[in-house]
Amino acid sequence: NAGVTQTPKFRVLKTGQSMTLLCAQDMNHEYMYWYRQDPGMGLRLIHYSVGEGTTAKGEVPDGYNVSRLKKQNFLLGLESAAPSQTSVYFCASSYGSAIKAFFGQGTRLTVV
Amino acid sequence: AQKVTQAQTEISVVEKEDVTLDCVYETRDTTYYLFWYKQPPSGELVFLIRRNSFDEQNEISGRYSWNFQKSTSSFNFTITASQVVDSAVYFCALSDMEYGNKLVFGAGTILRVKS
Repeated sequence: NAGVTQTPKFRVLKTGQSMTLLCAQDMNHEYMYWYRQDPGMGLRLIHYSVGEGTTAKGEVPDGYNVSRLKKQNFLLGLESAAPSQTSVYFCASSYGSAIKAFFGQGTRLTVV
Repeated sequence: AQKVTQAQTEISVVEKEDVTLDCVYETRDTTYYLFWYKQPPSGELVFLIRRNSFDEQNEISGRYSWNFQKSTSSFNFTITASQVVDSAVYFCALSDMEYGNKLVFGAGTILRVKS
């Protein structure tokens, strides 16, 4: 009964370091998303994927890259972390567009 | 672009009070979907409801009810007889055709229910 699993759950990075956040879902969903949550701003879409091998930009894509090599995994990369990327990152998945999305538990990232 | 406004940043109520969380949206789409999600202190987002733009019937699920009014672009959420376990951040969201019907979220309303 795993659903959507994000790793790691917490991370502290120094400015300029790189890292990859992993999202895995076991529901055979086609659609996967990465959001960031900042105080007073709700969740904003970074990138999304409508199927294996496809990705697209969301509302705030700058500074991030993604890959969807396998249907069950959606990776979010930060090539050169900046303090502005300090946030809580959520991965989500769904069967299709505009329907119920299942969210992971979030990754709290701090860039110092 | 689509926009969702939750004007109430934080609401505090005493247990058993009724509380309404407001949500106002802007969209150019004629077909769209509206959602409410709950984020308890543990952090995960929990789906509560989805409505499409053609269905303006109000919905009730236990202590929860939703009032969708297309004329005022509002999709308000009422909790009747609130309980401490209702304390959470509540997000209203709107599907955005520009991003393939992905969700655009409001800033959220923090609900604190005191015993």
